[in-house]
Amino acid sequence: DQQVKQNSPSLSVQEGRISILNCDYTNSMFDYFLWYKKYPAEGPTFLISISSIKDKNEDGRFTVFLNKSAKHLSLHIVPSQPGDSAVYFCAASMASGTYKYIFGTGTRLKVLA
Amino acid sequence: EAGVTQFPSHSVIEKGQTVTLRCDPISGHDNLYWYRRVMGKEIKFLLHFVKESKQDESGMPNNRFLAERTGGTYSTLKVQPAELEDSGVYFCASSQGPLETQYFGPGTRLLVL
Repeated sequence: DQQVKQNSPSLSVQEGRISILNCDYTNSMFDYFLWYKKYPAEGPTFLISISSIKDKNEDGRFTVFLNKSAKHLSLHIVPSQPGDSAVYFCAASMASGTYKYIFGTGTRLKVLA
Repeated sequence: EAGVTQFPSHSVIEKGQTVTLRCDPISGHDNLYWYRRVMGKEIKFLLHFVKESKQDESGMPNNRFLAERTGGTYSTLKVQPAELEDSGVYFCASSQGPLETQYFGPGTRLLVL
């Protein structure tokens, strides 16, 4: 039973436009969410995170939005650049108890020049 | 500052053989995690060390997997005997505290034939 879902396996966006990657979760106990970016043959690289007490966190071109009532988060990349082409993983964790990350299956983003 | 390192980067073994993967966390990081990604699916948690102690090993698939972290520095993950379904990419991650962001290594790609 997958607790974190990324329903879009792939996404193509023109350079300069906005990329929106979506993630849904089922466990209401999750209180910390992260996005990782992964290039081929490399490990996941931390991108941005958000605590459940917030609904938005911004870092440069990257913004994460959290909608707790819908159990949904999204990553916005504006403007998208060819170097952003990678697989993006959404992850969730609980501050209490275990500290493991629960990952989604990833969305492959391709930014077209 | 050096990141998380993993050795080897690739390993190809035959079913029934033994393989040992090594992870060196970021210096000073007491928390060390092992994850696995199988066949392009989600990245799944295996276990969590705090220094040399196993904090959570709920994700370990079975008793063919043995993880150790002697002295609280580097960690090894041994698979004995390896089965076909053990093929995948094994990632190690580390964090300073359990609530801190986890930083991932490049992974070890294991192929069991």
